[in-house]
Amino acid sequence: GENVEQHPSTLSVQEGDSAVIKCTYSDSASNYFPWYKQELGKRPQLIIDIRSNVGEKKDQRIAVTLNKTAKHFSLHITETQPEDSAVYFCAASRGNQGGKLIFGQGTELSVKP
Amino acid sequence: ETGVTQSPTHLIKTRGQQVTLRCSSQSGHNTVSWYQQALGQGPQFIFQYYREEENGRGNFPPRFSGLQFPNYSSELNVNALELDDSALYLCASSLGGLNTDTQYFGPGTRLTVL
Repeated sequence: GENVEQHPSTLSVQEGDSAVIKCTYSDSASNYFPWYKQELGKRPQLIIDIRSNVGEKKDQRIAVTLNKTAKHFSLHITETQPEDSAVYFCAASRGNQGGKLIFGQGTELSVKP
Repeated sequence: ETGVTQSPTHLIKTRGQQVTLRCSSQSGHNTVSWYQQALGQGPQFIFQYYREEENGRGNFPPRFSGLQFPNYSSELNVNALELDDSALYLCASSLGGLNTDTQYFGPGTRLTVL
């Protein structure tokens, strides 16, 4: 069935370092890949997304790369700050109507001052 | 913050009872999706409503049912509650069209089943 694997489950970095979270999806028809940040007790917040016709997208300190052949996509956060500490979820969907999101298991990122 | 709202914020029920959760979509969005998020896990897709019709369903039993109204707000109903139904229930709204499927989440309803 459809599945998204996310690694690592926990990640601890020093402030200013980079953080990388990786996801692999199983459904080759997936064409939309969002990333959400969820702080404790809060809603998942969309931070960046990418579609299958693009290999890389960047928004300030956040970037996402997609390798469709390998069915692999990654989130890169540079110059991490303590406020980046949260749980990050990757997801994949076929997009368009009925595009249910299949989520990874989440990565708990801790940025130490 | 997104324009997606949910009510109630918290709810405590006992096994066997029924519950109704509500979601108001962001202005202009005609698609609402519901997810169940157990503690420490990623959200799991329950179902999606597009223009008042169910438009996809995840691996949840029939006691999970839903509704979407003409103003695109939505309800999630769960009958015969079980202990494992305890979770955060999230709804997400989207525009529902080609390349307009970005989903924006509400704050969730925390359901506890005793």
